[in-house]
Amino acid sequence: SQQGEEDPQALSIQEGENATMNCSYKTSINNLQWYRQNSGRGLVHLILIRSNEREKHSGRLRVTLDTSKKSSSLLITASRAADTASYFCATDDDMRFGAGTRLTVKP
Amino acid sequence: DAGVIQSPRHEVTEMGQEVTLRCKPISGHNSLFWYRQTMMRGLELLIYFNNNVPIDDSGMPEDRFSAKMPNASFSTLKIQPSEPRDSAVYFCASSLMASGSYEQYFGPGTRLTVT
Repeated sequence: SQQGEEDPQALSIQEGENATMNCSYKTSINNLQWYRQNSGRGLVHLILIRSNEREKHSGRLRVTLDTSKKSSSLLITASRAADTASYFCATDDDMRFGAGTRLTVKP
Repeated sequence: DAGVIQSPRHEVTEMGQEVTLRCKPISGHNSLFWYRQTMMRGLELLIYFNNNVPIDDSGMPEDRFSAKMPNASFSTLKIQPSEPRDSAVYFCASSLMASGSYEQYFGPGTRLTVT
């Protein structure tokens, strides 16, 4: 079974709003990664956060990691229609993916 | 670099036929992953190689599936005989395992339809 599980399964917001999605995992990790998948395409790596980091930023993306709760969150600020995609998390210990969060940003 | 290359991009075949999917990883990468994606089962890890050696094939559905990596620049995933339930998009991904990091680069996928 996969290590990372994303929630919610689906999220629909208006352009300009922030989107937050969460990932939970089961065992200790070295790193956690977030990926995006546009419909019909391969996954694209967004950001990696190491187990000794608590927060990381990349443009409009903000990722947090709470190893005590075995969870991570991905925040997309000032969302755009182009952010519409599925988002997945995965850990280095187990490169399996959950069902993902399907984000829809309405213009 | 051209990225991960997969061929064919689309494959339509009849049940019982042999299907071979191909992948060329990014030059210099030492790990390669095969995934299958369907609406019902999501994205499943089938097998991954490290330095051309299969490390974890626990996701391979059954004996009809086999994967090889004869060298660092080429891998195949074969299904024989194919069945309609094998219809899916198959992704290949590669990465450079360094300092425990597995940042993966995905190919465009092969859409397989078995009728």
